[in-house]
Amino acid sequence: ETGVTQTPRHLVMGMTNKKSLKCEQHLGHNAMYWYKQSAKKPLELMFVYSLEERVENNSVPSRFSPECPNSSHLFLHLHTLQPEDSALYLCASSQEEGHLTPYEQYFGPGTRLTVT
Amino acid sequence: DQQVKQNSPSLSVQEGRISILNCDYTNSMFDYFLWYKKYPAEGPTFLISISSIKDKNEDGRFTVFLNKSAKHLSLHIVPSQPGDSAVYFCAASTREDMRFGAGTRLTVKP
Repeated sequence: ETGVTQTPRHLVMGMTNKKSLKCEQHLGHNAMYWYKQSAKKPLELMFVYSLEERVENNSVPSRFSPECPNSSHLFLHLHTLQPEDSALYLCASSQEEGHLTPYEQYFGPGTRLTVT
Repeated sequence: DQQVKQNSPSLSVQEGRISILNCDYTNSMFDYFLWYKKYPAEGPTFLISISSIKDKNEDGRFTVFLNKSAKHLSLHIVPSQPGDSAVYFCAASTREDMRFGAGTRLTVKP
């Protein structure tokens, strides 16, 4: 148990569907992150939320929409995705102390997304 | 633009021997470096880190070395154990950005 949970673990969706990924951290951290890991590619940072405010976007397409209602929960809303968006989506959290970039992060197990 | 590179996709070592995983970076602004370990079906787990003001950090069987002039860092695991078999990611960060390598799959044979 890493203290960061993600649901669902697996998701198959069509290109016209709307779905949401959920992340919850039980570590009392004040920053949360979404990452994308495509096959044979490095982890890509998508979004950063610090103190519930988005501080990093990294030019992610608008079909990905994050939401951070409080410091323990993070959502990634998905809409009209493309097959190339199929990947492992990882959530992470950390305790930030005035430094925007993450130091030691704690990752969830990820959601394996397949877009058909 | 891959600023952090792990050129060896896989590494196989015998139990008890030393494992050396390598990582190269191109951005001289990176000031903090981390190694993560990932088992199948789990998220990455933080392993060890090093600040750019140091050239070595040791934690038990794990030691990270940083050579700033060569823009190179390495992770040494000694002695290697079968439970160390996993994918290892290096990461480098500045104040505003963080980049990961593609990972190296380590297999430790009994």
